[in-house]
This record gives sequence, C-alpha cells and structure tokens, in this order.
Amino acid sequence: AQKVTQAQTEISVVEKEDVTLDCVYETRDTTYYLFWYKQPPSGELVFLIRRNSFDEQNEISGRYSWNFQKSTSSFNFTITASQVVDSAVYFCALSAVTSGTYKYIFGTGTRLKVLA
Amino acid sequence: GAGVSQTPSNKVTEKGKYVELRCDPISGHTALYWYRQSLGQGPEFLIYFQGTGAADDSGLPNDRFFAVRPEGSVSTLKIQRTERGDSAVYLCASSSLDGVKETQYFGPGTRLLVL
Repeated sequence: AQKVTQAQTEISVVEKEDVTLDCVYETRDTTYYLFWYKQPPSGELVFLIRRNSFDEQNEISGRYSWNFQKSTSSFNFTITASQVVDSAVYFCALSAVTSGTYKYIFGTGTRLKVLA
Repeated sequence: GAGVSQTPSNKVTEKGKYVELRCDPISGHTALYWYRQSLGQGPEFLIYFQGTGAADDSGLPNDRFFAVRPEGSVSTLKIQRTERGDSAVYLCASSSLDGVKETQYFGPGTRLLVL
C-alpha cells in the first residue's frame, strides 16, 4: 500500500522564523517520485518541487529547501525566514508505478500560518 | 490560456440533481486527472485519462460518477443523482506525458455544494 503522512496539521510561526514541514511516505516500489505543492487561500495547487527515488541530494531554491532521506522515508520541506505570503496549506504527494497508474497519493496537508 | 482551467468555479445544486464539471487542460497535455478534495483533506484520485480513454477509473466512488474526454483535450466529470456527501472541491490536473515522474499541474477547482 502507498501512503503519505503529514503529521503536523497546523503550524504557526512568526515572520522571519524558519519552519520545517514533515512528510513521511510508504511504498514498496523502488522507483517513485515525491512532490510538494502549495495551496494558498485561492485554492489552486501550486507545484513546488519533484524528487525521484534515486536522487537523495538535497535541494535549495531561494528560501525553500528539501531534505530527502530514504532511510527514514521522509521528504521534509523547510522555509527559511518565513514571510506572511508563505501562509498556505502545503501538501506532500507520492507517485509510484502500481498497476500502471500515475495517480498521486496526497497527505492530508499542513496548514502554515505566518504571523506578522 | 497558460494553465488548466475549470468551469464553473462554484456550483450549487440540490440533492438528486445532475451536474457537469468541465476541465480544459494545458494545451498539448495528453494526460488528464480528476481528484476530489474534501474539507481539511488532501486531494483524492478519481480518474485518469490517457488521450481519449480512461486508463484508470478506480477512484470513482460509485456508478453515479462518470467522466469523458471525447477528443483528448477537454474533459467533463458528470455526477448523477447528487448527494450531500458529494460536496467537495473537484480538481483537474494535466501533465505533458504519461508517467510516474511527470509533474501534474492543477486547475483552480470547482467547488460543488449539494444542498
């Protein structure tokens, strides 16, 4: 079975603080992809990053960074120096080849509130 | 347009009525997906189209739900005899190719409320 767990339902931080959003996944596939999406109040899911199972190199993009660790089946997302505009719900998702389908399995999301 | 578009953005209907939700994917994208997002939850897969055919409809909750993509571009999700439990945001996504690595780009969703 495939599963994505985002244990943090809601996080509140004060602007300029760093914050890490956790994502733990389960899959038996050896080839899979992990994704993070941002869902602002407008509702549209905005793609942030894609990572494949063979590449454990951490990635940084501006204030965003991602830590992928296969040993712990985690793909955590850190926002450095958070801003009010980062307030949104963040989803982690898994895509793996199971029965030839390419659907995403999403976690339940983490609502991030950045306070001014 | 540059992104995935969905119409209507909001739909209010009465229990028992029929509704159609439309998705216009990114031009040239061959793969199209429908998801349903209930309040406080992550999106849940409904159906996946590869071209004109439904390659995977395992997520459709029951036979009241049906989707088509007759020309391999625009897709319509159809819900018959709507129930209050069908109230949710229905999201459409498309990707340029079929494959586990392909990034899906999502539309703004249709918020369906069944009274």
